[in-house]
Amino acid sequence: AQKVTQAQTEISVVEKEDVTLDCVYETRDTTYYLFWYKQPPSGELVFLIRRNSFDEQNEISGRYSWNFQKSTSSFNFTITASQVVDSAVYFCALSEDSGGYQKVTFGTGTKLQVIP
Amino acid sequence: DGGITQSPKYLFRKEGQNVTLSCEQNLNHDAMYWYRQDPGQGLRLIYYSQIVNDFQKGDIAEGYSVSREKKESFPLTVTSAQKNPTAFYLCASKRPTSSYNEQFFGPGTRLTVL
Repeated sequence: AQKVTQAQTEISVVEKEDVTLDCVYETRDTTYYLFWYKQPPSGELVFLIRRNSFDEQNEISGRYSWNFQKSTSSFNFTITASQVVDSAVYFCALSEDSGGYQKVTFGTGTKLQVIP
Repeated sequence: DGGITQSPKYLFRKEGQNVTLSCEQNLNHDAMYWYRQDPGQGLRLIYYSQIVNDFQKGDIAEGYSVSREKKESFPLTVTSAQKNPTAFYLCASKRPTSSYNEQFFGPGTRLTVL
Protein backbone atom coordinates (compact mmCIF):
# COMPACT_ATOMS: atom_id res chain seq x y z
CA ALA A 1 0.00 0.00 0.00
CA GLN A 2 1.22 3.46 -0.78
CA LYS A 3 1.62 6.09 1.90
CA VAL A 4 2.78 9.69 2.08
CA THR A 5 3.98 11.22 5.32
CA GLN A 6 4.34 14.92 5.95
CA ALA A 7 5.48 14.98 9.54
CA GLN A 8 5.49 18.77 9.84
CA THR A 9 1.95 19.85 10.61
CA GLU A 10 2.65 23.57 10.85
CA ILE A 11 5.74 25.70 10.28
CA SER A 12 6.20 29.39 10.96
CA VAL A 13 9.08 31.38 9.53
CA VAL A 14 9.93 35.03 9.30
CA GLU A 15 9.90 36.54 5.86
CA LYS A 16 13.12 36.02 3.87
CA GLU A 17 14.04 32.89 5.78
CA ASP A 18 14.51 29.63 3.90
CA VAL A 19 12.19 26.76 4.76
CA THR A 20 12.12 23.07 3.84
CA LEU A 21 8.95 21.00 3.80
CA ASP A 22 9.54 17.29 4.23
CA CYS A 23 7.81 14.49 2.39
CA VAL A 24 8.47 10.78 2.87
CA TYR A 25 6.68 8.16 0.82
CA GLU A 26 6.18 4.41 0.72
CA THR A 27 5.44 2.36 -2.36
CA ARG A 28 6.14 -1.10 -3.72
CA ASP A 29 6.09 0.05 -7.34
CA THR A 30 9.21 0.90 -9.29
CA THR A 31 7.26 3.32 -11.48
CA TYR A 32 5.51 6.12 -9.72
CA TYR A 33 5.13 9.88 -9.73
CA LEU A 34 5.46 12.42 -6.96
CA PHE A 35 3.74 15.79 -6.83
CA TRP A 36 3.63 18.93 -4.75
CA TYR A 37 0.52 21.10 -4.58
CA LYS A 38 -0.08 24.43 -2.88
CA GLN A 39 -3.42 25.23 -1.25
CA PRO A 40 -3.76 28.95 -0.50
CA PRO A 41 -6.53 30.19 1.83
CA SER A 42 -8.91 30.35 -1.13
CA GLY A 43 -8.96 26.54 -1.08
CA GLU A 44 -8.05 25.55 -4.63
CA LEU A 45 -5.05 23.25 -4.96
CA VAL A 46 -2.41 24.54 -7.34
CA PHE A 47 0.00 22.14 -9.02
CA LEU A 48 3.68 22.94 -8.41
CA ILE A 49 5.76 20.05 -9.68
CA ARG A 50 5.73 16.45 -10.89
CA ARG A 51 8.68 14.08 -10.69
CA ASN A 52 8.84 10.50 -11.95
CA SER A 53 10.62 7.72 -10.13
CA PHE A 54 13.38 7.44 -12.72
CA ASP A 55 14.44 11.06 -12.55
CA GLU A 56 16.34 11.94 -9.41
CA GLN A 57 17.62 15.25 -10.65
CA ASN A 58 16.92 18.09 -8.33
CA GLU A 59 14.86 20.89 -9.76
CA ILE A 60 14.86 24.60 -9.19
CA SER A 61 12.16 27.01 -10.24
CA GLY A 62 12.76 30.53 -9.04
CA ARG A 63 12.68 30.47 -5.23
CA TYR A 64 11.40 26.89 -5.20
CA SER A 65 13.57 23.79 -5.29
CA TRP A 66 12.91 20.11 -4.88
CA ASN A 67 15.23 17.36 -3.65
CA PHE A 68 14.22 13.83 -4.67
CA GLN A 69 16.16 10.98 -3.03
CA LYS A 70 15.02 7.44 -3.75
CA SER A 71 17.49 6.03 -1.22
CA THR A 72 15.55 7.70 1.60
CA SER A 73 12.15 7.76 -0.17
CA SER A 74 11.97 11.49 0.26
CA PHE A 75 10.84 14.36 -1.93
CA ASN A 76 11.51 17.53 0.00
CA PHE A 77 10.52 21.04 -1.02
CA THR A 78 12.54 24.14 -0.18
CA ILE A 79 11.41 27.73 -0.45
CA THR A 80 14.26 30.21 -0.48
CA ALA A 81 13.79 33.74 0.83
CA SER A 82 10.20 33.07 1.83
CA GLN A 83 7.50 35.65 1.24
CA VAL A 84 4.13 36.27 2.83
CA VAL A 85 2.45 35.04 -0.37
CA ASP A 86 4.00 31.63 0.29
CA SER A 87 1.69 31.18 3.27
CA ALA A 88 -0.45 28.18 2.42
CA VAL A 89 -0.92 24.49 3.03
CA TYR A 90 1.40 22.36 0.94
CA PHE A 91 0.56 18.80 -0.03
CA CYS A 92 2.86 16.09 -1.25
CA ALA A 93 1.23 13.32 -3.30
CA LEU A 94 2.19 9.95 -4.75
CA SER A 95 0.67 8.42 -7.86
CA GLU A 96 1.10 4.82 -8.90
CA ASP A 97 -0.72 2.44 -11.20
CA SER A 98 -3.53 0.43 -9.65
CA GLY A 99 -5.06 -1.87 -12.25
CA GLY A 100 -5.00 0.74 -15.00
CA TYR A 101 -6.05 3.56 -12.73
CA GLN A 102 -3.55 6.02 -11.28
CA LYS A 103 -4.23 5.95 -7.57
CA VAL A 104 -3.16 9.19 -5.95
CA THR A 105 -2.38 9.33 -2.25
CA PHE A 106 -2.00 12.68 -0.55
CA GLY A 107 -0.09 13.51 2.58
CA THR A 108 -1.84 15.34 5.39
CA GLY A 109 -0.28 18.63 4.39
CA THR A 110 2.06 21.15 5.99
CA LYS A 111 0.69 24.56 6.86
CA LEU A 112 3.30 27.23 6.25
CA GLN A 113 2.93 30.65 7.81
CA VAL A 114 5.34 33.34 6.70
CA ILE A 115 5.42 36.21 9.15
CA PRO A 116 6.24 39.66 7.79
CA ASP B 1 -10.22 30.46 -19.93
CA GLY B 2 -10.15 26.72 -19.29
CA GLY B 3 -10.71 25.44 -15.81
CA ILE B 4 -12.91 23.74 -13.28
CA THR B 5 -15.85 25.39 -11.59
CA GLN B 6 -17.62 24.21 -8.49
CA SER B 7 -20.85 25.52 -7.09
CA PRO B 8 -21.96 26.60 -4.66
CA LYS B 9 -18.94 27.86 -2.75
CA TYR B 10 -20.75 27.46 0.57
CA LEU B 11 -23.64 25.08 1.24
CA PHE B 12 -25.68 24.53 4.34
CA ARG B 13 -27.73 21.43 4.81
CA LYS B 14 -30.18 20.30 7.40
CA GLU B 15 -29.84 16.80 8.74
CA GLY B 16 -31.73 14.27 6.64
CA GLN B 17 -31.47 16.27 3.42
CA ASN B 18 -29.72 15.26 0.25
CA VAL B 19 -27.63 17.94 -1.45
CA THR B 20 -25.86 18.02 -4.79
CA LEU B 21 -22.52 19.68 -5.43
CA SER B 22 -21.78 20.78 -8.95
CA CYS B 23 -18.49 20.29 -10.80
CA GLU B 24 -17.96 21.43 -14.39
CA GLN B 25 -14.77 21.45 -16.47
CA ASN B 26 -14.00 22.81 -19.93
CA LEU B 27 -10.50 21.33 -20.16
CA ASN B 28 -11.68 18.38 -22.25
CA HIS B 29 -10.32 16.02 -19.61
CA ASP B 30 -11.56 12.47 -19.51
CA ALA B 31 -10.99 11.73 -15.83
CA MET B 32 -12.75 13.48 -12.98
CA TYR B 33 -12.52 13.04 -9.22
CA TRP B 34 -14.21 14.03 -5.98
CA TYR B 35 -12.20 14.44 -2.80
CA ARG B 36 -13.15 15.25 0.73
CA GLN B 37 -10.85 17.33 2.93
CA ASP B 38 -11.19 17.49 6.71
CA PRO B 39 -9.05 19.66 9.02
CA GLY B 40 -5.63 18.14 9.60
CA GLN B 41 -6.19 15.42 7.04
CA GLY B 42 -5.14 14.99 3.50
CA LEU B 43 -7.51 14.60 0.60
CA ARG B 44 -9.54 11.43 0.58
CA LEU B 45 -11.02 10.07 -2.62
CA ILE B 46 -14.80 9.69 -2.73
CA TYR B 47 -15.50 8.75 -6.36
CA TYR B 48 -13.72 8.94 -9.67
CA SER B 49 -14.73 8.64 -13.29
CA GLN B 50 -12.38 7.79 -16.13
CA ILE B 51 -14.91 8.16 -18.90
CA VAL B 52 -18.49 9.24 -19.54
CA ASN B 53 -21.14 6.92 -18.12
CA ASP B 54 -18.62 5.15 -15.93
CA PHE B 55 -17.50 5.81 -12.38
CA GLN B 56 -15.88 3.93 -9.52
CA LYS B 57 -15.96 4.14 -5.75
CA GLY B 58 -12.98 5.62 -3.99
CA ASP B 59 -11.89 5.08 -0.41
CA ILE B 60 -14.86 6.75 1.31
CA ALA B 61 -17.84 6.37 -1.05
CA GLU B 62 -20.45 5.43 1.55
CA GLY B 63 -23.20 8.03 1.77
CA TYR B 64 -22.30 9.63 -1.56
CA SER B 65 -23.45 9.15 -5.13
CA VAL B 66 -22.31 10.54 -8.49
CA SER B 67 -23.25 10.56 -12.15
CA ARG B 68 -21.25 11.18 -15.31
CA GLU B 69 -23.68 11.77 -18.14
CA LYS B 70 -21.51 14.38 -19.85
CA LYS B 71 -17.76 14.68 -20.17
CA GLU B 72 -17.85 18.17 -18.71
CA SER B 73 -19.92 17.43 -15.62
CA PHE B 74 -19.47 15.23 -12.55
CA PRO B 75 -21.99 16.15 -9.84
CA LEU B 76 -21.72 14.72 -6.34
CA THR B 77 -24.76 14.04 -4.17
CA VAL B 78 -24.30 13.89 -0.44
CA THR B 79 -27.10 11.74 0.88
CA SER B 80 -28.67 11.55 4.30
CA ALA B 81 -26.80 8.29 4.78
CA GLN B 82 -23.53 10.21 5.11
CA LYS B 83 -23.21 10.53 8.87
CA ASN B 84 -20.67 13.30 9.03
CA PRO B 85 -20.87 15.33 5.82
CA THR B 86 -19.48 18.62 7.11
CA ALA B 87 -16.25 19.06 5.15
CA PHE B 88 -14.55 20.80 2.25
CA TYR B 89 -15.19 19.07 -1.08
CA LEU B 90 -12.82 19.35 -3.99
CA CYS B 91 -13.40 18.29 -7.56
CA ALA B 92 -10.49 17.57 -9.89
CA SER B 93 -9.87 16.49 -13.46
CA LYS B 94 -6.98 15.03 -15.37
CA ARG B 95 -5.96 14.23 -18.90
CA PRO B 96 -6.25 10.56 -19.95
CA THR B 97 -5.72 8.23 -17.04
CA SER B 98 -3.10 6.24 -18.89
CA SER B 99 -0.56 8.94 -18.20
CA TYR B 100 0.76 10.21 -14.91
CA ASN B 101 -0.41 13.73 -15.30
CA GLU B 102 -1.17 16.18 -12.57
CA GLN B 103 -4.71 16.87 -11.48
CA PHE B 104 -6.40 20.23 -11.90
CA PHE B 105 -8.59 21.28 -9.00
CA GLY B 106 -11.67 23.41 -8.66
CA PRO B 107 -12.10 26.04 -5.93
CA GLY B 108 -14.05 23.70 -3.66
CA THR B 109 -17.41 23.66 -1.88
CA ARG B 110 -17.63 23.98 1.88
CA LEU B 111 -20.58 21.97 3.17
CA THR B 112 -21.93 22.51 6.65
CA VAL B 113 -24.66 20.46 8.26
CA LEU B 114 -26.84 22.45 10.60
